[in-house]
Amino acid sequence: DQQVKQNSPSLSVQEGRISILNCDYTNSMFDYFLWYKKYPAEGPTFLISISSIKDKNEDGRFTVFLNKSAKHLSLHIVPSQPGDSAVYFCAASENNYGQNFVFGPGTRLSVLP
Amino acid sequence: GAGVSQSPSNKVTEKGKDVELRCDPISGHTALYWYRQSLGQGLEFLIYFQGNSAPDKSGLPSDRFSAERTGGSVSTLTIQRTQQEDSAVYLCASSPSRDTGELFFGEGSRLTVL
Repeated sequence: DQQVKQNSPSLSVQEGRISILNCDYTNSMFDYFLWYKKYPAEGPTFLISISSIKDKNEDGRFTVFLNKSAKHLSLHIVPSQPGDSAVYFCAASENNYGQNFVFGPGTRLSVLP
Repeated sequence: GAGVSQSPSNKVTEKGKDVELRCDPISGHTALYWYRQSLGQGLEFLIYFQGNSAPDKSGLPSDRFSAERTGGSVSTLTIQRTQQEDSAVYLCASSPSRDTGELFFGEGSRLTVL
């Protein structure tokens, strides 16, 4: 049973518009959450994180929102750019130890020019 | 380069053969991780090394899988008697400490078992 779910395998967005990538989790003990971005033939790269003491974290065009009661987080990209086209992985953990993060299956974002 | 380096980038092998995958982490990073990504799946944790401590092997799927890290730097993941279900991209990552989820990944080694 997947503890971290990304129910949309793919998403297409027009350049300049907002991209919203969603992630749901089942373990209420998860307190740390991450987003990674992965381009083809490259390893994932860390994008943004949030801990459960916050409900929002912003870094430039990227904002992560956390709703602990709903066990849901989302990544907003505004404005979306063609270079944002990649697979985005959500990950969650009870602590901030790298080996304990559980990854979702990923959502492939395509930003259309 | 300054990033995590993995080799080979691609490996095709026959069922039953042994394979070795190599990872050269970022210099100075004490934590090293192996993950694998099967088609359509998320990253699956395999094993974690931290300094000179005993590795966390809790993610290894069977005793056919083993890994070592020599001198606190380069790591080798060995899969014995490969099976078709071992086909995946094997990703290595390193980080400056264990207390972070910000891992630096290599490009991965794509393993295909025929």
